[in-house]
Amino acid sequence: LAKTTQPISMDSYEGQEVNITCSHNNIATNDYITWYQQFPSQGPRFIIQGYKTKVTNEVASLFIPADRKSSTLSLPRVSLSDTAVYYCLVGATSNSGYALNFGKGTSLLVTP
Amino acid sequence: ETGVTQTPRHLVMGMTNKKSLKCEQHLGHNAMYWYKQSAKKPLELMFVYSLEERVENNSVPSRFSPECPNSSHLFLHLHTLQPEDSALYLCASSQELGGGRVSYEQYFGPGTRLTVT
Repeated sequence: LAKTTQPISMDSYEGQEVNITCSHNNIATNDYITWYQQFPSQGPRFIIQGYKTKVTNEVASLFIPADRKSSTLSLPRVSLSDTAVYYCLVGATSNSGYALNFGKGTSLLVTP
Repeated sequence: ETGVTQTPRHLVMGMTNKKSLKCEQHLGHNAMYWYKQSAKKPLELMFVYSLEERVENNSVPSRFSPECPNSSHLFLHLHTLQPEDSALYLCASSQELGGGRVSYEQYFGPGTRLTVT
């Protein structure tokens, strides 16, 4: 499984755009990049997944440069309810086994 | 609402008790997982069932015993637990893609907060 590095914590004010970057230098050709969100005492929630360039859904955007050694989760105009831990996972749907390595994630605090 | 339910949501048990955690998914998935999340620690994968067969047991002590009677239900039977087993136990499901491949798009239940006294 590719190792990921992301900031331990980030702070933001309401209404701002938040970008969380994840480094994954040893990403393999078949690996996808997946982001989850977790609120305290709840299960993680799938946010977005991508392979290259840009992916956008109703919740977030995911930017992946051409070398795929990093990725950035972008949350537009965050609100207080976006305070959560965000996990970056890298792996493939094939031959990487079943384990998802959630790591420590990035703890995002949104304040008024 | 993720389509994955877990009961009970909270459980307090003594070290000599036997209890079971239940998970049910309504998403038509065929792979199910048990994870453990202790305070301030990352999620740890415990067990994986794919097509109702256990395919991974991540070195979990035998006091935890999983059961998967069908693709929609997953149980975790608990007996003679230790206080350090107190944690949030999470169930998840995903689609098995065949050929040993599993989707990274997993759907988690709300968890069972377990306290062992």
